[in-house]
Amino acid sequence: GENVEQHPSTLSVQEGDSAVIKCTYSDSASNYFPWYKQELGKGPQLIIDIRSNVGEKKDQRIAVTLNKTAKHFSLHITETQPEDSAVYFCAAAAGGTSYGKLTFGQGTILTVHP
Amino acid sequence: DTGVSQDPRHKITKRGQNVTFRCDPISEHNRLYWYRQTLGQGPEFLTYFQNEAQLEKSRLLSDRFSAERPKGSFSTLEIQRTEQGDSAMYLCASSLGWELFFGEGSRLTVL
Repeated sequence: GENVEQHPSTLSVQEGDSAVIKCTYSDSASNYFPWYKQELGKGPQLIIDIRSNVGEKKDQRIAVTLNKTAKHFSLHITETQPEDSAVYFCAAAAGGTSYGKLTFGQGTILTVHP
Repeated sequence: DTGVSQDPRHKITKRGQNVTFRCDPISEHNRLYWYRQTLGQGPEFLTYFQNEAQLEKSRLLSDRFSAERPKGSFSTLEIQRTEQGDSAMYLCASSLGWELFFGEGSRLTVL
């Protein structure tokens, strides 16, 4: 089955700096790669996703890049703010009837210091 | 849009008891998923429904676990003869397409 590795496990930055989280996956059939933000006591919330037919996607301060050849994808947050502090998860899924069956990474605890 | 609703939010039970969790998805969503999340880990897929049909179950879902989605609306996840290893957050999600919308979860503590 799919295996998703996420690094780093913790990331501490100053407000205004950029943050980068990286993930690798094992199943070449995976073609959907979402990123979720989870705040304490809440469920995961989708912040951005990318499908295998594009290499990069951007939404305001958040961007995701995908390298299908190397089987890795990354989340980039620019101009970080204290409210960006949370746990971030990457995930991967294959298409077909399994598109909601996500395999998650282990998570990255992001702390943004004012 | 009221979002995905889960009940109860917290459940404390003794080992060997049965527990049931309920999930109400976003009304127009035809797919419903159950995931389990233990402390410090990412969510793990358990099972999913398309309308009322349960299409896939993870090997994590032992025979003590059963999920239903009668009439393709709300879903229940029952755990029989709970064990301490069942302590986790049980997350429900629903979707109409690729994007999964998660609920706040039901936290189970087995003493």
